[in-house]
Amino acid sequence: SQQGEEDPQALSIQEGENATMNCSYKTSINNLQWYRQNSGRGLVHLILIRSNEREKHSGRLRVTLDTSKKSSSLLITASRAADTASYFCAPSYNTDKLIFGTGTRLQVFP
Amino acid sequence: DARVTQTPRDKVTEMGQEVTMRCQPILGHNTVFWYRQTMMQGLELLAYFRNRAPLDDSGMPKDRFSAEMPDATLATLKIQPSEPRDSAVYFCASGLGTGGFNGEQFFGPGTRLTVL
Repeated sequence: SQQGEEDPQALSIQEGENATMNCSYKTSINNLQWYRQNSGRGLVHLILIRSNEREKHSGRLRVTLDTSKKSSSLLITASRAADTASYFCAPSYNTDKLIFGTGTRLQVFP
Repeated sequence: DARVTQTPRDKVTEMGQEVTMRCQPILGHNTVFWYRQTMMQGLELLAYFRNRAPLDDSGMPKDRFSAEMPDATLATLKIQPSEPRDSAVYFCASGLGTGGFNGEQFFGPGTRLTVL
């Protein structure tokens, strides 16, 4: 399967703590994208990291990519209750398709 | 504020009925995707279009599902006849790609379909 696999499946933390989610994939990629989905809503693009990049930041988000290990991680710093959502990684190969994994469900308690 | 719009937002129908879902991609986007999301299967790609031409519909049950783009501002997904196992949230997404598409996808709010 070409989908990314997120780990853990679920994560519960307190506001102010950091949340780390991991993604593993199988074959060489062009880029890897992270999306967020709030309950009952469509997915929202968070960040895209290209295969020749190792780290990327966007606000409180930090994404790393290790192509030798075929893995990526998403770090949310100083989490807020509003960060409660499901987070999906989507590796992008030499096709138009994004194959989404099953996601990490993040719960941030006030 | 450009957004992908989908109608209807919710649809309840009886088994055997025809269901049509509509999507208006972001103006200027040339690639449109249809996804289905269920608890059991997660997010599945059903079909996608580039410049209104279908490029891949391998994820779609061919006997009952059909997807079209009558024009650049409208994509439709039709199920005929519908079955209870089609109950899911259907998402449309659009993006801008040339030659291959590896970029950001913009998702609509989804159509929640319940087939009784």
